[in-house]
Amino acid sequence: NAGVTQTPKFQVLKTGQSMTLQCAQDMNHNSMYWYRQDPGMGLRLIYYSASEGTTDKGEVPNGYNVSRLNKREFSLRLESAAPSQTSVYFCASRAANYGYTFGSGTRLTVV
Amino acid sequence: GNSVTQMEGPVTLSEEAFLTINCTYTATGYPSLFWYVQYPGEGLQLLLKATKADDKGSNKGFEATYRKETTSFHLEKGSVQVSDSAVYFCAFDLNTGTASKLTFGTGTRLQVTL
Repeated sequence: NAGVTQTPKFQVLKTGQSMTLQCAQDMNHNSMYWYRQDPGMGLRLIYYSASEGTTDKGEVPNGYNVSRLNKREFSLRLESAAPSQTSVYFCASRAANYGYTFGSGTRLTVV
Repeated sequence: GNSVTQMEGPVTLSEEAFLTINCTYTATGYPSLFWYVQYPGEGLQLLLKATKADDKGSNKGFEATYRKETTSFHLEKGSVQVSDSAVYFCAFDLNTGTASKLTFGTGTRLQVTL
């Protein structure tokens, strides 16, 4: 089925470890996004990529890096995980007619 | 700055009750407005949207009207079902072309009981 695929679905890290969250979409969308969801705070934008080859900071970029590998893939990297990065991470992509499609999320716990 | 304010939850209703979830926004420019729904353990799904003033978005019995004069986009449903139990997010997009991005409210949890 067409859509946004995120891997992994669950991950537990120790403080200081690094990892990369993967996101891929097969809808030929230009724009892709990474959000984090925390209780009582809704979804907050970490980074986004308006088009292949470009990335920009969102509301909460500290502690994260991103790579827009190609039009399909947009990865989020935590270089040195901290407990404050415990969250649910959502990737999304967007079509020009304002349609956003979200992945099913990655639940990350940093201990 | 740009922001979305939603009524705090949880909202607990009996089945067949009327639902209203309030949403107001502060934004520069002329945003498009959205309601997203998140069922337990799942990602976000678009519920409805409106792109200009006085537009009414509707889907699955839910409705919301874009009120520019009051900067509001309240979600309503005439008769809720247990299956409507979920978290509802109000959001807007400032329509800045390829740099567009969604700004979300904090979400409102709805619990519908028999």
